[in-house]
Amino acid sequence: SYELTQPPSVSVSPGQTASITCSGDKLGDKYACWYQQKPGQSPVLVLYQDTKRPSGIPERFSGSNSGNTATLTISGTQAMDEADYYCQAWDSSTPVFGGGTKLTVL
Amino acid sequence: EVQLVESGGGLVQPGGSLRLSCAASGFTFSSSWMHWVRQAPGKGLVWVSRINSDGTSTSYADSVKGRFTISRDNAKNTLYLQMNSLRAEDTAVYYCAREYSSAWSFDYWGQGTLVTVSS
Repeated sequence: SYELTQPPSVSVSPGQTASITCSGDKLGDKYACWYQQKPGQSPVLVLYQDTKRPSGIPERFSGSNSGNTATLTISGTQAMDEADYYCQAWDSSTPVFGGGTKLTVL
Repeated sequence: EVQLVESGGGLVQPGGSLRLSCAASGFTFSSSWMHWVRQAPGKGLVWVSRINSDGTSTSYADSVKGRFTISRDNAKNTLYLQMNSLRAEDTAVYYCAREYSSAWSFDYWGQGTLVTVSS
């Protein structure tokens, strides 16, 4: 079965750039999307089709996807961005999630 | 405003059954593919099941195949998940989510309902 691998944790200082990776076999040939989940809340879509932001998502969220790795980049990271982030792609019409990355802003 | 509201969770003994519901509003439910995604305590998101817009096509994760059944009532704007032969490892928050048509993602999620399987 298809797997997506994320680092368990990433730390960033306020105002700096955070990068969260998601690795999977030939992931660049698929669309990747990203969800933000804060404690006790439901996931929120922050990027879809590799680079697109839904309405209401700040411009500091951006993405890329090439080769075997998709990357979520948060520029000028704010304290409110501290959350778990999940990548997701599709394999044979089945959605697959990465294991999640806890972003700590300190 | 798009809303997805799950209900039906609770405590059930191993081997028992539970039926989850997801009431949808604020969008054309009958045109949307819908999914169930679960999250065990302290763990990540795991896809469970999917149903197409008119209910004629479904798919399931291997871990629930043969035990769970997804269905929908478009007249009532409601999605269901019938869960039978429940196991301890089915303990999780269950979310319903709308598939973002042609965008390969889930754009709206419910608040989730907790299912606890324990004796």
